[in-house]
Order: sequence, then structure tokens, then C-alpha cells
Amino acid sequence: GAVVSQHPSRVICKSGTSVKIECRSLDFQATTMFWYRQFPKQSLMLMATSNEGSKATYEQGVEKDKFLINHASLTLSTLTVTSAHPEDSSFYICSARRQGNNEQFFGPGTRLTVL
Amino acid sequence: EDQVTQSPEALRLQEGESSSLNCSYTVSGLRGLFWYRQDPGKGPEFLFTLYSAGEEKEKERLKATLTKKESFLHITAPKPEDSATYLCAVTGNQFYFGTGTSLTVIP
Repeated sequence: GAVVSQHPSRVICKSGTSVKIECRSLDFQATTMFWYRQFPKQSLMLMATSNEGSKATYEQGVEKDKFLINHASLTLSTLTVTSAHPEDSSFYICSARRQGNNEQFFGPGTRLTVL
Repeated sequence: EDQVTQSPEALRLQEGESSSLNCSYTVSGLRGLFWYRQDPGKGPEFLFTLYSAGEEKEKERLKATLTKKESFLHITAPKPEDSATYLCAVTGNQFYFGTGTSLTVIP
């Protein structure tokens, strides 16, 4: 149990385009989902926390208009990187947490490369 | 200020050479300490959750322990396939990750 998937696993896009990344909890209902980014040889940096049916809470320094998060159901959250630029190239990882549980289960990550 | 520190940053072991990884934390109202394994280019894989001092969890060659200030991940007789980055995270008011220990096990 506790499987989280992400799609796509890799995406390459041109500067100025928008990219959507999906995060799904496959065998449980995730009341809370988290989005992280990770630069090479660094740890995970929390970008935002989203609760199903409500607006996401963004960490300091993360532009909410650039990184749009939607958590429309208990099994799906999406992150849209709008008007992507090369500095947005990174490894984006989502995680999901069950209600009443502290453990986070992570997706396999999405490698975004902006040319 | 809540903080998580892992040491060493990198560790090279010979196959079969047991060792321990450290995770030191200062957090208000600890609600859980978590160990994850991360392979290159992949998301973290959940290993253990520890909730209170004195608690221990084991899985194959790995054993995690917890005190009021730190946690250890003991690796007994490691194999090359144990090579990965091991991440520690704690939950207080927020979820904090350490920077990880990169483990390399040499055949």
C-alpha cells in the first residue's frame, strides 16, 4: 500500500511554456499533498502544502502565481509551472499523507528541463 | 529554531563493514522522525517512522533508533545494493528534511 505516482517522469520544454505535473495516490486517499523541488546533491525543499478542496499554502520565497497547485480530489494534485525558465529546471517530487497519519509517501519525481 | 542535521555527509564502506548514520534534531513538539532512502533520479522511499525516545525499528540490514536528541540508522553487513542517499526528516509544526548521507558500499 501507499503508492504515489507522478506523471510525466521527464519533461523538456522551451522557455516561456507552461508544464503540468500530476501526482496521484494510487491506493489511499491523501487529504494532504506536498510538492518539493530538489537540486543536484541537495536535499528536498518544500514548495507548498495542499489540502484537498482548499488553496495551497506556499513556503516563503515560492511564487504562487508561477507554481500553480490544484488539489481537486483526494487522489490527485497537480503542479503547473507557468512561463517556465531555465532556472526552473529541477527535480520535482510530490508526496501524499493520509488523514490522521504523519508519514509522507513520495512519488518517483519529475525531471523538468527548460531550454 | 527547528533544525535537522545529518552526518556524515558521505560514507564509503566495504561490503560487510557495519556502520551508523546520525540524524540530530531540534524541533518543538516532535511528532515523528522518518528515515527514507533515495536512489539517484528517484523519489525517496519510506523506511521507518519513530515516534518516541527508546523506540527501535528494524528492516533487513537496517535498524533505526531514537533518543530525545538524535536518531541513528545502523547498517549491518551492508551490501553494494544498499548504496543510496539516506534522508532523515522530522515532523514538528512542519516537515523538515536533513541534507542526507550519501552511502557507497564497495564490493
